[in-house]
Parts: sequence; C-alpha cells; structure tokens
Amino acid sequence: RKEVEQDPGPFNVPEGATVAFNCTYSNSASQSFFWYRQDCRKEPKLLMSVYSSGNEDGRFTAQLNRASQYISLLIRDSKLSDSATYLCVVNRANQGGKLIFGQGTELSVKP
Amino acid sequence: GAVVSQHPSWVICKSGTSVKIECRSLDFQATTMFWYRQFPKQSLMLMATSNEGSKATYEQGVEKDKFLINHASLTLSTLTVTSAHPEDSSFYICSATSDRGTTNEKLFFGSGTQLSVL
Repeated sequence: RKEVEQDPGPFNVPEGATVAFNCTYSNSASQSFFWYRQDCRKEPKLLMSVYSSGNEDGRFTAQLNRASQYISLLIRDSKLSDSATYLCVVNRANQGGKLIFGQGTELSVKP
Repeated sequence: GAVVSQHPSWVICKSGTSVKIECRSLDFQATTMFWYRQFPKQSLMLMATSNEGSKATYEQGVEKDKFLINHASLTLSTLTVTSAHPEDSSFYICSATSDRGTTNEKLFFGSGTQLSVL
C-alpha cells in the first residue's frame, strides 16, 4: 500500500465550480500534513498546511481526519489559474522534514 | 525568502555518461537536503536524504552507487547520476530545510532538473 494515496484524476471542471480532492495516508503516527501545488515541470509549491481543526485560506479549505487518516482539499469558485496538479503531502513520522508525496491529482479548469 | 538554486535546469546526455546536478542554498544554511525524482504523471519519489558532512541515507530501492550524493558544505549538495541510461530520464529536484528556525515542515525546493538520456 502506498504511504499517501490520492484520487487518480484528472478533474476537468468549468470556471466557478467547486472541486474536492481526497487523500489517505497509511502511517497513523504522521504528524504534519500539507497540500502542494505543482505546475508542469516546475517545483511544487506549498499551498497550505492542514490542521486537525480544519483551515481555510480564501477559496481553499483543508480538512484533516486523523481517525480515518484522511485529508481533503476543497476549492471553491475555481479559476483558470487553479489548473495544476495538487499534491497531498505527509511527513514521515519522527523524521521531520522528510515529506512523502501522493501521486497528485491533476485539475484542469475550463472557461 | 529562502532560495535554493538548482542547476542545470535541463540536460541531455548520451547513455553511459555521468551527469552532475547541483543544489545551492543562496541565503541560508541547509543542514539537510532531500533529493526527489519524478517520472511523468507520477509523484515525487524521495531518493535520499543528505546531511552536511555525512553520508547520504538512501531510500529503499535507490542504488547508492548509481546516484552519488555529496553534501560537502552547508550550502551545496550534488547528485551525480553515474553511467546514465534512458530509464534514468526523469525530473530530479532537491529541497532543503532552513536553519533559521523555520519549522522543518517548510521545505525550500530547487527548480528541478529535467534529465533526458539518449
């Protein structure tokens, strides 16, 4: 089983749509969780950290369910510029700084 | 903010040659650097972790004799792909943790190197 698994995608949505990404992780001792965004052939960029209480940043909302080992990202009112691959990322327990990436879910927002 | 410079951005080489990729932290000391590889449509796969002045720790399945990592200073880590073959063609990217008290959750990534082996 992969350490971090995401929806396979791709997601093709119209502008303005709401889109949700799901992710599960296998190591229950993992401590830190993130969503990264990666454009084609570019380095990944941190979108947001994910906290147990849930957190929101503008149109983006992240949720964490430790019991289910499940992480989600919701994008509201999607924009063309949101088109990218979204990576669910988890730190390896007790190895701070060593991040494990999911395979990514590609999002394409169409006019 | 912290910057990691990675060179070259892309390289094309013949099968059997060796390729060196450099990552430099420009305005901070990177005590730890991580090297990742990404094949098309796949995730970033951690290859190894390098700490300044010590041997790199390789992930399971990564050949340490093929992917030589050197982290001789706090600002420079290099990855050398020895005797490269077409199956080594991939996107290689480094990341570093800062020593500035930033939480180690925050990694600073290089811009990546696209390697194509003919």
